[in-house]
Amino acid sequence: NAGVTQTPKFQVLKTGQSMTLQCAQDMNHNSMYWYRQDPGMGLRLIYYSASEGTTDKGEVPNGYNVSRLNKREFSLRLESAAPSQTSVYFCASSEMGQKGMNTEAFFGQGTRLTVV
Amino acid sequence: DAKTTQPNSMESNEEEPVHLPCNHSTISGTDYIHWYRQLPSQGPEYVIHGLTSNVNNRMASLAIAEDRKSSTLILHRATLRDAAVYYCIRREKLTFGTGTRLTIIP
Repeated sequence: NAGVTQTPKFQVLKTGQSMTLQCAQDMNHNSMYWYRQDPGMGLRLIYYSASEGTTDKGEVPNGYNVSRLNKREFSLRLESAAPSQTSVYFCASSEMGQKGMNTEAFFGQGTRLTVV
Repeated sequence: DAKTTQPNSMESNEEEPVHLPCNHSTISGTDYIHWYRQLPSQGPEYVIHGLTSNVNNRMASLAIAEDRKSSTLILHRATLRDAAVYYCIRREKLTFGTGTRLTIIP
């Protein structure tokens, strides 16, 4: 079972470059999430999409944009990368609503991004 | 604040039970308590969840206080593979705190 797949696994960018992190899930989940994790820290929510066609800001949305391309895919875009965006990025998916509350969320293996 | 409060770190001897506490004093009546763990260089993985009653699964047990302001994750017999960061979260927002780093002593 693939679960949540993130691409790429590693990326090095120069300051000012742009890139899109891809995330896809094969569990027919409605809700998808993007997080960043800095060294020694917990995960911080960047954006989430409760269902196809909707997106909402999380705790740290500045410098990022997202697109819920379809039910399966949720991408995160850095328009002009900065060294402060060096982090590990995780995507997650889950059911939505009360069913989502009573079921587990699934996480990808992460994208390790370095901005130099 | 929607986040929970956990100790930064804990240690336990191998093959002994481990009790990981979590405070969530402002939790709403319909919000579930979820526990995830993160092994080194991996994404978080689900451990267990509950609403009001204590819960058991093959990985762990979850004891929820009667007032739901706190809960305890119980690993019945810790192994070296249980060394990880454990996160207690309120499922409504799926937001994480800093978690508890569990070290298992051989």
